[in-house]
Amino acid sequence: EDQVTQSPEALRLQEGESSSLNCSYTVSGLRGLFWYRQDPGKGPEFLFTLYSAGEEKEKERLKATLTKKESFLHITAPKPEDSATYLCAVPIQGAQKLVFGQGTRLTINP
Amino acid sequence: EPEVTQTPSHQVTQMGQEVILRCVPISNHLYFYWYRQILGQKVEFLVSFYNNEISEKSEIFDDQFSVERPDGSNFTLKIRSTKLEDSAMYFCASRQGYQNQPQHFGDGTRLSIL
Repeated sequence: EDQVTQSPEALRLQEGESSSLNCSYTVSGLRGLFWYRQDPGKGPEFLFTLYSAGEEKEKERLKATLTKKESFLHITAPKPEDSATYLCAVPIQGAQKLVFGQGTRLTINP
Repeated sequence: EPEVTQTPSHQVTQMGQEVILRCVPISNHLYFYWYRQILGQKVEFLVSFYNNEISEKSEIFDDQFSVERPDGSNFTLKIRSTKLEDSAMYFCASRQGYQNQPQHFGDGTRLSIL
């Protein structure tokens, strides 16, 4: 069964304190991995697509990396506005429905 | 930047009533999806729609659910006879059509069944 697992479930950091979020997956025939940000009461907002092991993408304070079994979202010197739930998702063959992880709820304290 | 829009933002309905959730996907996108998220749980797939027909549906998407693209811009999800357990956030998403392009989501409709 295709599964996506994220850890930790929640993470509280001080402003400027860097850390990483993990997304591990068991999917046959990986066709990429997506990272989304979700604010309370909002829909997932697309951040990154990673296609192959070794690939990295960056956007402001965020950097996403991919290996054959997991992906990391590194956050460097975070600010309070980076507080959100971060979701990873993998597309499944065919119509490419997304299978989501349960998310990491990130809180950055000023 | 183009975005997916959903209406209403909040819908309150009595159990057993029909409800229609509406979405306007991004205009040049070809694949359309509905997902739901029960409070505190994962975002889960309901149905995908391409070329005016359902391409895939989950076990959740039973005979009480239907989707339609009545014109060139709207995409709707109908629940015929709502149950308490249908209470959730419902998200519409669309994808351009190229392989592995990301899906873009609307801000959802919060459906509350009383």
